[in-house]
Amino acid sequence: QSALTQPASVSGSPGQSITISCTGTSSDVGGYYYVSWYQQHPGKAPKLMIYDVTNRPSGVSNRFSGSKSGNTASLTISGLQAEDEADYYCYSYTSSSTLVFGGGTKLTVL
Amino acid sequence: QVQLQESGPGLVKPSETLSLTCAVSDYSISSGFYWGWIRQPPGKGLEWIGTIYHSGNTFYNPSLKSRVTISVDTSKNHFSLKLSSVTAADTAVYYCARVPGNRYFDYWGQGTLVTVSS
Repeated sequence: QSALTQPASVSGSPGQSITISCTGTSSDVGGYYYVSWYQQHPGKAPKLMIYDVTNRPSGVSNRFSGSKSGNTASLTISGLQAEDEADYYCYSYTSSSTLVFGGGTKLTVL
Repeated sequence: QVQLQESGPGLVKPSETLSLTCAVSDYSISSGFYWGWIRQPPGKGLEWIGTIYHSGNTFYNPSLKSRVTISVDTSKNHFSLKLSSVTAADTAVYYCARVPGNRYFDYWGQGTLVTVSS
């Protein structure tokens, strides 16, 4: 199974909005509403930010939102803050009942 | 609040078997949910290894399937990972996590670094 495709890096200034894309196929992202997003700070375990494409776990800021169109899912962070600087990974269920991660995106807050 | 804690040797010799256990606290594995293993080589991205249901059904990453065994022990409230014939490429931080509906990872352990070296 191939990893989902994410941009290697994105950047934005405090207060701005950024979007991270996650492109797969009709066998994973496009076929199911089971895309999730994770934030990982250096040396820490990943943290669930979005599940099932659009849902936010309790305690996650409403500045984080998810969406999907066709084979591409997106994570949008609005009102960018310094603490948002981290690596972000998307993740999808697949038609083989397996799970596949994106390659990761490094977010830099300028 | 569900808590997970990985444990096992931090150093494994090439060609040997890596063995890790994930102890689950404040939730009974036998009550349900899937449970999974993920790894992250130093400086690289996340890789899903496999998932097990509380009843024992397993799902493995095709690229690792021939070398991976995940099992669950409900009496000890933990689940385990075995990865055979390891090489330096298996050096990574290994995480365990809860996997609702086999769809996403909501609770994670802190991770444990396993180095493969002679």
